Amino acid sequence: EVQLVESGGGLVQPGGSLRLSCAASGFTFSDYYMDWVRQAPGKGLEWVGRSRNKANSYTTEYAASVRGRFTISRDDSENSLYLQMDSLKTEDTAVYYCGRRYDSGRIDYWGQGTLVTVSS
Amino acid sequence: DIQLTQSPSFLSASVGDRVTITCRASQGVDGYLAWYQQKPGKAPKLLIYTASTLQSGVPSRFSGGGSGTEFTLTISSLQPEDFATYYCQQLNTYPLTFGGGTKVESK
Repeated sequence: EVQLVESGGGLVQPGGSLRLSCAASGFTFSDYYMDWVRQAPGKGLEWVGRSRNKANSYTTEYAASVRGRFTISRDDSENSLYLQMDSLKTEDTAVYYCGRRYDSGRIDYWGQGTLVTVSS
Repeated sequence: DIQLTQSPSFLSASVGDRVTITCRASQGVDGYLAWYQQKPGKAPKLLIYTASTLQSGVPSRFSGGGSGTEFTLTISSLQPEDFATYYCQQLNTYPLTFGGGTKVESK
Protein backbone atom coordinates (compact mmCIF):
# COMPACT_ATOMS: atom_id res chain seq x y z
CA GLU A 1 0.00 0.00 0.00
CA VAL A 2 1.33 3.40 -0.99
CA GLN A 3 1.75 5.70 1.99
CA LEU A 4 3.05 9.25 2.26
CA VAL A 5 3.50 10.77 5.69
CA GLU A 6 4.49 14.41 6.13
CA SER A 7 6.11 15.78 9.27
CA GLY A 8 7.97 18.82 10.50
CA GLY A 9 5.22 21.42 10.51
CA GLY A 10 4.75 23.90 13.32
CA LEU A 11 4.83 27.53 14.36
CA VAL A 12 7.68 29.69 13.09
CA GLN A 13 8.31 33.42 13.12
CA PRO A 14 8.43 35.48 9.93
CA GLY A 15 11.91 35.28 8.45
CA GLY A 16 12.52 31.91 10.02
CA SER A 17 13.16 28.49 8.53
CA LEU A 18 11.53 25.10 8.69
CA ARG A 19 12.22 21.74 7.07
CA LEU A 20 9.36 19.45 6.14
CA SER A 21 9.78 15.74 5.51
CA CYS A 22 7.68 13.26 3.57
CA ALA A 23 8.27 9.58 4.30
CA ALA A 24 7.23 7.27 1.47
CA SER A 25 6.47 3.57 1.54
CA GLY A 26 4.76 0.93 -0.56
CA PHE A 27 6.41 1.82 -3.87
CA THR A 28 9.85 2.25 -5.41
CA PHE A 29 10.41 5.85 -4.33
CA SER A 30 13.49 6.36 -6.48
CA ASP A 31 11.49 5.81 -9.69
CA TYR A 32 9.05 8.65 -9.12
CA TYR A 33 8.85 12.40 -9.38
CA MET A 34 7.42 13.92 -6.21
CA ASP A 35 5.49 17.14 -5.64
CA TRP A 36 4.73 19.55 -2.83
CA VAL A 37 1.33 21.27 -2.81
CA ARG A 38 0.04 23.66 -0.17
CA GLN A 39 -3.32 25.02 0.95
CA ALA A 40 -3.70 28.19 2.99
CA PRO A 41 -6.52 28.13 5.56
CA GLY A 42 -9.87 28.33 3.78
CA LYS A 43 -8.20 28.70 0.38
CA GLY A 44 -7.55 26.58 -2.69
CA LEU A 45 -4.67 24.36 -3.66
CA GLU A 46 -1.33 25.83 -4.75
CA TRP A 47 1.41 23.78 -6.38
CA VAL A 48 4.74 24.49 -4.67
CA GLY A 49 7.27 22.45 -6.57
CA ARG A 50 8.54 19.15 -7.94
CA SER A 51 11.53 16.87 -7.62
CA ARG A 52 12.34 14.70 -10.57
CA ASN A 53 13.88 11.27 -10.09
CA LYS A 54 17.50 10.13 -10.35
CA ALA A 55 17.05 9.25 -14.03
CA ASN A 56 16.28 12.92 -14.57
CA SER A 57 19.12 14.15 -12.40
CA TYR A 58 16.93 15.09 -9.44
CA THR A 59 16.16 18.40 -11.09
CA THR A 60 13.52 20.61 -9.53
CA GLU A 61 10.79 23.07 -10.48
CA TYR A 62 9.22 25.72 -8.26
CA ALA A 63 6.30 28.08 -8.17
CA ALA A 64 7.32 31.71 -8.53
CA SER A 65 5.99 32.48 -5.05
CA VAL A 66 8.59 30.23 -3.38
CA ARG A 67 11.48 30.18 -5.85
CA GLY A 68 14.71 31.25 -4.17
CA ARG A 69 13.30 30.66 -0.67
CA PHE A 70 12.24 27.00 -0.76
CA THR A 71 14.41 24.05 -1.73
CA ILE A 72 13.17 20.56 -2.54
CA SER A 73 15.49 17.62 -2.02
CA ARG A 74 15.20 13.90 -1.58
CA ASP A 75 17.09 10.95 -0.13
CA ASP A 76 16.22 7.84 -2.09
CA SER A 77 18.09 5.65 0.40
CA GLU A 78 15.68 6.87 3.09
CA ASN A 79 12.62 7.00 0.80
CA SER A 80 12.17 10.58 1.86
CA LEU A 81 11.33 13.91 0.27
CA TYR A 82 12.15 17.23 1.90
CA LEU A 83 11.06 20.85 1.67
CA GLN A 84 13.50 23.35 3.16
CA MET A 85 11.65 26.61 3.70
CA ASP A 86 13.70 29.74 4.40
CA SER A 87 12.79 33.41 4.74
CA LEU A 88 9.27 32.40 5.65
CA LYS A 89 6.45 34.90 5.27
CA THR A 90 3.03 35.02 6.89
CA GLU A 91 1.52 34.13 3.51
CA ASP A 92 3.35 30.78 3.61
CA THR A 93 0.96 29.66 6.35
CA ALA A 94 -0.71 26.55 4.95
CA VAL A 95 -1.14 22.82 5.12
CA TYR A 96 1.67 21.30 3.05
CA TYR A 97 1.03 18.06 1.20
CA CYS A 98 3.48 15.82 -0.56
CA GLY A 99 2.27 13.82 -3.53
CA ARG A 100 3.49 11.13 -5.88
CA ARG A 101 3.57 12.18 -9.49
CA TYR A 102 2.46 9.43 -11.88
CA ASP A 103 2.11 9.15 -15.66
CA SER A 104 0.84 12.27 -17.42
CA GLY A 105 1.88 14.28 -14.39
CA ARG A 106 -1.12 13.55 -12.21
CA ILE A 107 -0.71 13.25 -8.44
CA ASP A 108 -2.16 9.85 -7.69
CA TYR A 109 -1.27 9.58 -3.99
CA TRP A 110 -1.22 12.31 -1.37
CA GLY A 111 -0.03 12.51 2.20
CA GLN A 112 -2.29 13.72 5.01
CA GLY A 113 -0.57 17.10 5.18
CA THR A 114 1.35 19.03 7.82
CA LEU A 115 0.43 22.52 9.04
CA VAL A 116 2.93 25.34 8.90
CA THR A 117 2.01 28.54 10.70
CA VAL A 118 4.15 31.62 10.16
CA SER A 119 3.34 34.20 12.81
CA SER A 120 5.00 36.44 15.36
CA ASP B 1 1.67 31.10 -16.19
CA ILE B 2 -1.46 29.24 -17.27
CA GLN B 3 -4.51 30.46 -15.40
CA LEU B 4 -7.35 28.02 -14.76
CA THR B 5 -10.80 29.48 -14.16
CA GLN B 6 -13.41 27.19 -12.68
CA SER B 7 -17.11 27.87 -12.83
CA PRO B 8 -19.21 28.01 -10.88
CA SER B 9 -17.32 28.67 -7.64
CA PHE B 10 -20.28 27.35 -5.64
CA LEU B 11 -23.00 24.99 -6.68
CA SER B 12 -26.11 23.92 -4.74
CA ALA B 13 -27.53 20.59 -5.81
CA SER B 14 -29.62 17.68 -4.62
CA VAL B 15 -28.92 13.98 -4.50
CA GLY B 16 -29.61 12.53 -7.93
CA ASP B 17 -28.87 15.76 -9.81
CA ARG B 18 -26.56 15.89 -12.79
CA VAL B 19 -23.75 18.32 -12.03
CA THR B 20 -21.25 19.86 -14.45
CA ILE B 21 -18.21 21.94 -13.51
CA THR B 22 -16.17 23.84 -16.10
CA CYS B 23 -12.46 24.60 -16.11
CA ARG B 24 -11.15 27.10 -18.64
CA ALA B 25 -7.44 27.50 -19.29
CA SER B 26 -5.79 30.73 -20.41
CA GLN B 27 -3.88 28.74 -23.03
CA GLY B 28 -3.89 25.21 -24.34
CA VAL B 29 -2.82 22.39 -22.03
CA ASP B 30 -2.66 19.61 -24.62
CA GLY B 31 -5.14 17.50 -22.67
CA TYR B 32 -2.94 17.35 -19.57
CA LEU B 33 -5.67 18.20 -17.14
CA ALA B 34 -6.67 16.43 -13.94
CA TRP B 35 -9.61 16.73 -11.58
CA TYR B 36 -9.45 16.22 -7.80
CA GLN B 37 -12.06 15.99 -5.07
CA GLN B 38 -11.34 17.33 -1.60
CA LYS B 39 -13.40 16.96 1.56
CA PRO B 40 -12.85 19.16 4.64
CA GLY B 41 -9.71 18.30 6.56
CA LYS B 42 -8.65 15.69 4.01
CA ALA B 43 -6.10 15.47 1.25
CA PRO B 44 -7.30 15.80 -2.34
CA LYS B 45 -8.27 12.65 -4.20
CA LEU B 46 -7.56 12.10 -7.90
CA LEU B 47 -10.70 11.53 -9.97
CA ILE B 48 -9.82 12.13 -13.63
CA TYR B 49 -6.56 12.55 -15.57
CA THR B 50 -5.66 13.42 -19.16
CA ALA B 51 -8.99 15.23 -19.23
CA SER B 52 -11.21 12.17 -19.52
CA THR B 53 -9.54 9.07 -18.04
CA LEU B 54 -11.16 7.79 -14.87
CA GLN B 55 -8.71 6.98 -12.09
CA SER B 56 -8.91 3.39 -10.88
CA GLY B 57 -11.49 2.93 -8.15
CA VAL B 58 -13.42 6.11 -8.91
CA PRO B 59 -17.16 5.56 -9.52
CA SER B 60 -18.30 5.70 -13.12
CA ARG B 61 -20.78 8.50 -12.35
CA PHE B 62 -17.76 10.80 -12.62
CA SER B 63 -16.65 11.72 -16.12
CA GLY B 64 -14.37 14.27 -17.70
CA GLY B 65 -14.39 15.86 -21.10
CA GLY B 66 -13.14 18.70 -23.19
CA SER B 67 -10.03 19.70 -25.07
CA GLY B 68 -7.93 22.69 -25.93
CA THR B 69 -8.76 25.24 -23.26
CA GLU B 70 -12.18 24.14 -22.02
CA PHE B 71 -12.79 21.10 -19.85
CA THR B 72 -15.66 19.70 -17.84
CA LEU B 73 -16.20 17.41 -14.89
CA THR B 74 -19.64 15.82 -14.76
CA ILE B 75 -21.27 13.85 -11.98
CA SER B 76 -24.15 12.01 -13.62
CA SER B 77 -26.18 11.41 -10.45
CA LEU B 78 -24.94 13.20 -7.35
CA GLN B 79 -24.54 11.01 -4.29
CA PRO B 80 -24.37 12.13 -0.62
CA GLU B 81 -20.63 11.41 -0.50
CA ASP B 82 -20.01 13.70 -3.48
CA PHE B 83 -20.60 16.93 -1.56
CA ALA B 84 -17.08 18.33 -1.60
CA THR B 85 -14.82 20.82 -3.33
CA TYR B 86 -13.49 20.00 -6.78
CA TYR B 87 -10.28 21.32 -8.36
CA CYS B 88 -8.82 21.10 -11.84
CA GLN B 89 -5.05 21.13 -12.38
CA GLN B 90 -3.06 21.60 -15.57
CA LEU B 91 -0.02 19.35 -15.90
CA ASN B 92 1.31 20.59 -19.22
CA THR B 93 3.41 23.64 -18.39
CA TYR B 94 5.45 24.76 -15.42
CA PRO B 95 4.49 26.17 -13.06
CA LEU B 96 1.69 23.67 -12.66
CA THR B 97 -1.49 25.42 -11.64
CA PHE B 98 -4.83 24.63 -10.02
CA GLY B 99 -8.21 26.15 -10.61
CA GLY B 100 -9.81 28.09 -7.79
CA GLY B 101 -12.15 25.25 -6.85
CA THR B 102 -15.87 24.54 -7.01
CA LYS B 103 -17.70 23.76 -3.79
CA VAL B 104 -20.69 21.46 -4.27
CA GLU B 105 -23.17 21.95 -1.46
CA SER B 106 -26.47 20.34 -0.57
CA LYS B 107 -29.51 22.32 -1.67
